Amino acid sequence: DTAVSQTPKYLVTQMGNDKSIKCEQNLGHDTMYWYKQDSKKFLKIMFSYNNKELIINETVPNRFSPKSPDKAHLNLHINSLELGDSAVYFCASSQLAGGFYEQYFGPGTRLTVT
Amino acid sequence: AQKITQTQPGMFVQEKEAVTLDCTYDTSDPSYGLFWYKQPSSGEMIFLIYQGSYDQQNATEGRYSLNFQKARKSANLVISASQLGDSAMYFCAMREGLWSNFGNEKLTFGTGTRLTIIP
Repeated sequence: DTAVSQTPKYLVTQMGNDKSIKCEQNLGHDTMYWYKQDSKKFLKIMFSYNNKELIINETVPNRFSPKSPDKAHLNLHINSLELGDSAVYFCASSQLAGGFYEQYFGPGTRLTVT
Repeated sequence: AQKITQTQPGMFVQEKEAVTLDCTYDTSDPSYGLFWYKQPSSGEMIFLIYQGSYDQQNATEGRYSLNFQKARKSANLVISASQLGDSAMYFCAMREGLWSNFGNEKLTFGTGTRLTIIP
């Protein structure tokens, strides 16, 4: 049983195109995230959603638009793709609670913009 | 200022030896949590171990232990009896406001250490 799944795993596209990455979690978690891992392996938060509500938006260009149709899904739509968008995008989820929690990561989507 | 600093970009360790991966952090929040994740070449992020700022004892999980020195703001990962399968990138991460700031549970990551185990 996959806890956090992402599709597609690989995405190759040309500059200027619009693309979406889908994420689903079956853990019953309230909070979902998108992280970006650049070519130097640095991971940085992009967005978080709690129960379909946007909580964190870390100065991401507005070409990136997350959408959460329900608390088990968080999709990422990217308009007008640029070369610098090439990266691995990770979806993650966690319970919304104080104290200890673990973020469960999806397998990642490697986006290559040519 | 960097919130999480991992000063070792790469390490080579002989199989079966113990290895310490360094992590220092910067926060003024009294409640925070420190996490270590492993990223093998296949790319997935695997949670290893967690330490809360108020935890009295150092965390341990099998061969992994966390050497938590609060005054020095360090949270080093110790892997005992290293194995070839331990070769991977290792990331230290922090979440601030552990018992408050609901809805802002983001993890801030360090730049990672690439560990290579030599047979």
